[in-house]
Amino acid sequence: SQTIHQWPATLVQPVGSPLSLECTVEGTSNPNLYWYRQAAGRGLQLLFYSVGIGQISSEVPQNLSASRPQDRQFILSSKKLLLSDSGFYLCAWRKGGGGTQPQHFGDGTRLSIL
Amino acid sequence: RKEVEQDPGPFNVPEGATVAFNCTYSNSASQSFFWYRQDCRKEPKLLMSVYSSGNEDGRFTAQLNRASQYISLLIRDSKLSDSATYLCVVNEPRAGSYQLTFGKGTKLSVIP
Repeated sequence: SQTIHQWPATLVQPVGSPLSLECTVEGTSNPNLYWYRQAAGRGLQLLFYSVGIGQISSEVPQNLSASRPQDRQFILSSKKLLLSDSGFYLCAWRKGGGGTQPQHFGDGTRLSIL
Repeated sequence: RKEVEQDPGPFNVPEGATVAFNCTYSNSASQSFFWYRQDCRKEPKLLMSVYSSGNEDGRFTAQLNRASQYISLLIRDSKLSDSATYLCVVNEPRAGSYQLTFGKGTKLSVIP
């Protein structure tokens, strides 16, 4: 069966510090991978998605970036965090192909910027 | 921007009650539909897919009306463990592929 791992679970960072969140998927190959952010009391916002190694699409302009160095690894980064980057970050995967399948989420990273 | 709208909630119901959630979506080209459940401070988890013919999974029944662009979720015989936020999710075409658009969710509290 497929599993998705995301870490760390909780992170407290000062403004202006860098960020690296990692996500890996097991039990499948060539998945579509996603990064979402959920701010307090708000819906999920898609940040990035990837349909293959090195292929990244950005949904919203921001100071975050994403990379996919391996088939089942997806990384979310920032060079300098802002207060507004606080939130609940979720990685998700779904089977590659037509794109009508549901997505499955990792446990999430709760990021607090001080 | 295409939207997915849900009942604002919160819904506070006694154990054993039947509760219905409604959802509308604006993109008629949407291809697939889902209900997710999200517990407080946890990740969303797939509850069920929604099909045009309607589908049932135990106490849960989902309905889709493509003509009206309307989705519903019915929970019968509510349990305390059903307390969560229920997200209506639509798979719609965006930028040459399909992406999920999430409603903001409806919070359900089942009371003893």
